[in-house]
Amino acid sequence: NAGVMQNPRHLVRRRGQEARLRCSPVKGHSHVYWYRQLPEEGLKFMVYLQKENIIDESGMPKERFSAEFPKEGPSILRIQQVVRGDSAAYFCASSPQGGQGANEQFFGPGTRLTVL
Amino acid sequence: SQKIEQNSEALNIQEGKTATLTCNYTNYSPAYLQWYRQDPGRGPVFLLLIRENEKEKRKERLKVTFDTTLKQSLFHITASQPADSATYLCAKRTYKYIFGTGTRLKVLA
Repeated sequence: NAGVMQNPRHLVRRRGQEARLRCSPVKGHSHVYWYRQLPEEGLKFMVYLQKENIIDESGMPKERFSAEFPKEGPSILRIQQVVRGDSAAYFCASSPQGGQGANEQFFGPGTRLTVL
Repeated sequence: SQKIEQNSEALNIQEGKTATLTCNYTNYSPAYLQWYRQDPGRGPVFLLLIRENEKEKRKERLKVTFDTTLKQSLFHITASQPADSATYLCAKRTYKYIFGTGTRLKVLA
């Protein structure tokens, strides 16, 4: 029974390149959340998606960042023209229900992005 | 804006003692609070959820309290062990999840 899967686990990019982070939620979960974490800091909410819809992207920078969760396939967090400040751990989480339901989130192992 | 505040200083305690971690929130009380554990290099793992109408919740050596007057939740680990050493995160959910910065706990053998 697989949990949340993220790949790659480590990603190295040079400034100006694109980074694509993938997340496969727990089977049957239709709600996905992306977070960013810097060393010694907490999880910062970026975006909340439901299948084919972006529910809340208030934590995601308006430029260079985009996210999708298609009907088929994993959720993708895309960072264009990466800069050194994008270096961080990016975590994906899924839950079976959205809204304000009392649901725990299941987290993936994270993707550690390093921008050279 | 809504905030979750946790003591960012590390907490060191002796094995066998009770560790108590604090989570304070601003603005209105959430319907519930969640506690997660995070180990270095890993994603958070859910531990406990407590609803606003529950004063206390227990799970094995873990206990969580929720005081809506103080706008505070306390997380206790009794009979602590070195394996309990980790960062503990508090989170509340309004529409999205808001996490605190976490408190790093180190249990000394």
